[in-house]
Amino acid sequence: EVQLVESGGGLIQPGGSLRLSCAASGFSVSRNYMSWVRQAPGKGLEWLSVIYRGNNTYYADSVKSRFTISRDNSNNMVYLQVNSLRAEDTAVYYCASTPDYCSGASCYAFQYWGLGTLVTVSS
Amino acid sequence: QTVVTQEPSLTVSPGGTVTLTCASSTGAVTSASYANWIQQKPGQAPRALIYSTTNKHSWTPARFSGSLLGGKAALTLSGVQPEDEADYYCLLYSGDAQTWVFGGGTKLTVL
Repeated sequence: EVQLVESGGGLIQPGGSLRLSCAASGFSVSRNYMSWVRQAPGKGLEWLSVIYRGNNTYYADSVKSRFTISRDNSNNMVYLQVNSLRAEDTAVYYCASTPDYCSGASCYAFQYWGLGTLVTVSS
Repeated sequence: QTVVTQEPSLTVSPGGTVTLTCASSTGAVTSASYANWIQQKPGQAPRALIYSTTNKHSWTPARFSGSLLGGKAALTLSGVQPEDEADYYCLLYSGDAQTWVFGGGTKLTVL
């Protein structure tokens, strides 16, 4: 069974940094396209970043200079380093992935989602 | 920066049919937009329904279908059930930048 579990959220002061983690089970993160998505309280979903099989990474313009996505294949983890945090970064952060061994159209599927980790930026 | 627009809210009667749409500020939505439709109920994580415009996941009920309609991506629910009341988000791919953009979501009420 595929499972994604996010962790690393919490209360952080403005200007601070966090590293969010996404632990995958039931498949290998190295074979899949892994994304981060967030949702501010009472707001919609916002796509943040993706890391592809070949380690290419892409970001939404809103976070490009402050967020970094990475992957640890040996531990089957994906990370999101979030720096220079602002109040508007307060959100639940979700990890999402394509289906295992995706090919063609399925490589554009946000198939599996974690339950999210809450980041609160406040002094 | 691409803006993706959805109807803010729609209401449908049980057993009825409703179509949600998803438009892009950059022009017509095509198959190369690889539209995804995501369902989210209050207090729950998002759940995938449709990918690459028309493809269903193994758990997607048959009453949900995806299509392209008049230059937009569309999600049609036929024979709506009370449990379909939820927020629905479309997600479009921008091949130029290799990034994705969510629409603002449609709150579907079954009444």
